[in-house]
Amino acid sequence: EVQLVESGGGLVQPGGSLRLSCAASGFTFSSYEMNWVRQAPGKGLEWVSYISSSGSTIYYADSVKGRFTISRDNAKNSLYLQMNSLRAEDTAVYYCARDSQYYGFDYWGQGTLVTVSS
Amino acid sequence: QSVLTQPPSASGTPGQRVTISCSGSSSNIGSNYVYWYQQLPGTAPKLLIYRNNQRPSGVPDRFSGSKSGTSASLAISGLRSEDEADYYCAAWDDSLSGHWVFGGGTKLTVL
Repeated sequence: EVQLVESGGGLVQPGGSLRLSCAASGFTFSSYEMNWVRQAPGKGLEWVSYISSSGSTIYYADSVKGRFTISRDNAKNSLYLQMNSLRAEDTAVYYCARDSQYYGFDYWGQGTLVTVSS
Repeated sequence: QSVLTQPPSASGTPGQRVTISCSGSSSNIGSNYVYWYQQLPGTAPKLLIYRNNQRPSGVPDRFSGSKSGTSASLAISGLRSEDEADYYCAAWDDSLSGHWVFGGGTKLTVL
């Protein structure tokens, strides 16, 4: 069974940093592209970042470029999102999503809440 | 403001057919596949339609997708109370260095 489990969310002050993790199981993690998608309270989905299966290709939304860094460790079946210089508008539930080139975002984690507030 | 435009709300009675539109541009819907996601209250999104009109296994055939030019639609026939959810369209956008874009979401209410 495919499982994606996010962790690392919490309360952080503006300007602070946080590192999110996504533990994958039930599939060959190294064969799949991965993404982070976030959802601010009461708002819609916003794509945040993409990483290819090898980690060689990375994309970011303009809203997080230069502040967030996506990475992966295929040996540990894990996806990461390093978030620096956090702002109030980064407050959201962050989901990791498996990216099947054929099916799109075919599996999602349950999400982890990041709250940026003083 | 989302790159893909969806109506904020839609509604229907049980058994009815409802459609949700998604409008984009030549750099996203016009040149790439459209995907639809269903988000039930308090849960993570779930893939509903892929590659414009394909249903993953387990998704009832009451759900169908279509695409024409720079617009797409999700149709739900035989509406059921459990279909009450938020629906999002998404597509890859070729502009700039490439990125995924989502619609703002449509809240479907079953009256």
